[in-house]
Amino acid sequence: GAVVSQHPSWVICKSGTSVKIECRSLDFQATTMFWYRQFPKQSLMLMATSNEGSKATYEQGVEKDKFLINHASLTLSTLTVTSAHPEDSSFYICSARGEQSTDTQYFGPGTRLTVL
Amino acid sequence: EDQVTQSPEALRLQEGESSSLNCSYTVSGLRGLFWYRQDPGKGPEFLFTLYSAGEEKEKERLKATLTKKESFLHITAPKPEDSATYLCAPRGNTGKLIFGQGTTLQVKP
Repeated sequence: GAVVSQHPSWVICKSGTSVKIECRSLDFQATTMFWYRQFPKQSLMLMATSNEGSKATYEQGVEKDKFLINHASLTLSTLTVTSAHPEDSSFYICSARGEQSTDTQYFGPGTRLTVL
Repeated sequence: EDQVTQSPEALRLQEGESSSLNCSYTVSGLRGLFWYRQDPGKGPEFLFTLYSAGEEKEKERLKATLTKKESFLHITAPKPEDSATYLCAPRGNTGKLIFGQGTTLQVKP
């Protein structure tokens, strides 16, 4: 299957700082990318959907000014958690899909964010 | 409203003991039903996509089937390395995957 990478795999930061997470599709062009967060023993919660070159569409309840998403190319999307607080600590997972809406959605390995 | 329910929530099997996981769904305009495997601390790993009722797909000890309301993941003679959380996710008109809570499978040697 297709490969999606994330960097970093884990990050620890102080409260009030900003953290950027990168998501790359390594062997296909990702027209659409998705960002999820996952709490322990819970399923994935979609945060936002982004199409290359367009503004991201955020799910209800997700603060767009806090979670900045950029999808500048067909292989790279970034999620920046601004002014992070302990409640933002979570497992963040990106996902990428090709051009067709029926295309398979592949997931990255995830980034564990801990805010002290 | 689009909904997905997976059962059971947890399943313990002895090595070699076959079983099935259920995924019941209500989705407008199904554009594929996806199965993923997730290991602790990792992102979901793609297993199968099913697009129409009656379709079946197999991979090693796993076989996925689809009806208009349900999908089943059959595990034949499981091994301890099959232990993981299995996620079902249909995709509807919105283009978004709708995730169930998952079934956590533990296979004991």
